[in-house]
Amino acid sequence: DAGVIQSPRHEVTEMGQEVTLRCKPISGHNSLFWYRQTMMRGLELLIYFNNNVPIDDSGMPEDRFSAKMPNASFSTLKIQPSEPRDSAVYFCASSLSSAGYEQYFGPGTRLTVT
Amino acid sequence: GDSVTQMEGPVTLSEEAFLTINCTYTATGYPSLFWYVQYPGEGLQLLLKATKADDKGSNKGFEATYRKETTSFHLEKGSVQVSDSAVYFCALSPKAAGNKLTFGGGTRVLVKP
Repeated sequence: DAGVIQSPRHEVTEMGQEVTLRCKPISGHNSLFWYRQTMMRGLELLIYFNNNVPIDDSGMPEDRFSAKMPNASFSTLKIQPSEPRDSAVYFCASSLSSAGYEQYFGPGTRLTVT
Repeated sequence: GDSVTQMEGPVTLSEEAFLTINCTYTATGYPSLFWYVQYPGEGLQLLLKATKADDKGSNKGFEATYRKETTSFHLEKGSVQVSDSAVYFCALSPKAAGNKLTFGGGTRVLVKP
């Protein structure tokens, strides 16, 4: 079975540009999570969805960040406008709430904003 | 709120040495506990888990026991290999918050031949 799929794997963009990160969760999972990982701040939860509904977005750093989950098999994390301090690895994870609470992570998107 | 504290790294070991990574937590109720591993350039992978007190999770030679009395979930491996070089994360889930995980800061382990 395919795991969590993220695209692109690498993204290099200039400051001020819009960036869209994409995630396809594991089929049948009903929870989806977006994380950001940096050396300075470690692993941070940005937002999570249950059954396509955003439950907690308190980790979203500011209004430049937005996330959507239009259906059970797709989610996006958008940064507009991007800034150099947004450079990080962004992970998507999914889980099945009735099956033990463990999350399954995608390979991540490495974002570099110059 | 919930929190997870784990020992800071890096931890540098020789091959076949014994590895222990300490993890303690603060949570209300009886959370599920997890160890995740992150190899260079990859996402986090679930290594093992325990869902109630005195449960022992094990996988790939790693073990951790859910100790409610000491609120701990220390990770151990009896004989490490170079391929165990990675970052290890301890995490908890309160079971009643939509599967939200609280992670520790991660411990980098480097195993030298």
